Amino acid sequence: DAKTTQPNSMESNEEEPVHLPCNHSTISGTDYIHWYRQLPSQGPEYVIHGLTSNVNNRMASLAIAEDRKSSTLILHRATLRDAAVYYCILPSGSARQLTFGSGTQLTVLP
Amino acid sequence: DSGVTQTPKHLITATGQRVTLRCSPRSGDLSVYWYQQSLDQGLQFLIHYYNGEERAKGNILERFSAQQFPDLHSELNLSSLELGDSALYFCASRKQGNTEAFFGQGTRLTVV
Repeated sequence: DAKTTQPNSMESNEEEPVHLPCNHSTISGTDYIHWYRQLPSQGPEYVIHGLTSNVNNRMASLAIAEDRKSSTLILHRATLRDAAVYYCILPSGSARQLTFGSGTQLTVLP
Repeated sequence: DSGVTQTPKHLITATGQRVTLRCSPRSGDLSVYWYQQSLDQGLQFLIHYYNGEERAKGNILERFSAQQFPDLHSELNLSSLELGDSALYFCASRKQGNTEAFFGQGTRLTVV
């Protein structure tokens, strides 16, 4: 199963863009890239996912490198409510289950 | 609101007891996943059901079992509880393998 590597923590100022990186150098051609986030005392929340092309939704954008060995989650204007642990995951296994690593703790400064 | 409902929200029980956690998936989602989150272990995948059938097992103890019923709701049974079983238990549902997963708000289990 392909693994992902993320920085342990990042800081951002409120109302500024945030770029959260993820490396997945052993990704296979059929692996989707998923991003979830978890706010304190809440269940993980789906953010975005993609396969090859860049993706946009109301929450964020996902930029996928051409060789697919890395991706970047982009929050266009960080708010205090975006402070959370962000997980980059490649669903794997027979159930395509989500295997959570330690993620990136995003701190948003007012 | 993710559309996934977990009950109860909180549960306090004694060591050696048995409890049942319930999960109602989003309408139309056939897949249910169970996860355990403790302070020192992070989110751990326990088990997956698809349309009533067990499809994959993760780090699930033999004292734990689950099932998915014809109406697609799922139950996680934890028996012979130990202090170390205290954790948040989440379920998630999705339509199929590579689609987005939606998580419930979890059940916080405290074993005393």
